[in-house]
Amino acid sequence: EAGVTQFPSHSVIEKGQTVTLRCDPISGHDNLYWYRRVMGKEIKFLLHFVKESKQDESGMPNNRFLAERTGGTYSTLKVQPAELEDSGVYFCASSQAGTGPSEAFFGQGTRLTVV
Amino acid sequence: QKEVEQDPGPLSVPEGAIVSLNCTYSNSAFQYFMWYRQYSRKGPELLMYTYSSGNKEDGRFTAQVDKSSKYISLFIRDSQPSDSATYLCAMSAMDTGGFKTIFGAGTRLFVKA
Repeated sequence: EAGVTQFPSHSVIEKGQTVTLRCDPISGHDNLYWYRRVMGKEIKFLLHFVKESKQDESGMPNNRFLAERTGGTYSTLKVQPAELEDSGVYFCASSQAGTGPSEAFFGQGTRLTVV
Repeated sequence: QKEVEQDPGPLSVPEGAIVSLNCTYSNSAFQYFMWYRQYSRKGPELLMYTYSSGNKEDGRFTAQVDKSSKYISLFIRDSQPSDSATYLCAMSAMDTGGFKTIFGAGTRLFVKA
């Protein structure tokens, strides 16, 4: 069974540009989470989808970040326009319905560098 | 003060040693306590999770939760060089919108052959 897959694995963009990160959760997992780890800091929660609905987006830093999950399958996280402080590793995780983040499986992450 | 405190290390031990990794926390509402292992350039891999207080054992790994002291531990017996990684503690509590997970900074562990 395929795990959580994230694309791209690494992205380098200039300040002001737009970047879209993609996450393919484990098939059948209703819960999808986005997290971010900036340099020297802890992994922080960004948002939580249940199927295609945003259950909790309280961790989104500002309105330059937009997450979508069309059809309740894969999810995208767009940053527009990107700023230097957006650099970090963005993780996606998924879990089955009826479970929480304690049973979530993580992807390998997308390392975003804004220059 | 951070909600979850974890010593970043690094912690270096000889092969075969018993490793003790710890986290403290301040939010008494935390209900789920997780330990993740993360290899370089990889995502966190869930090792174990515990609900509320108590111990849980899985092979060479034992997780302990002491809610009265707000202290959790992960013990690794007979440590191997392949255990060298960053170990993250994480805790979840119900919040508006669902469970919210807070991560520790991670402890880097090196097991020397």
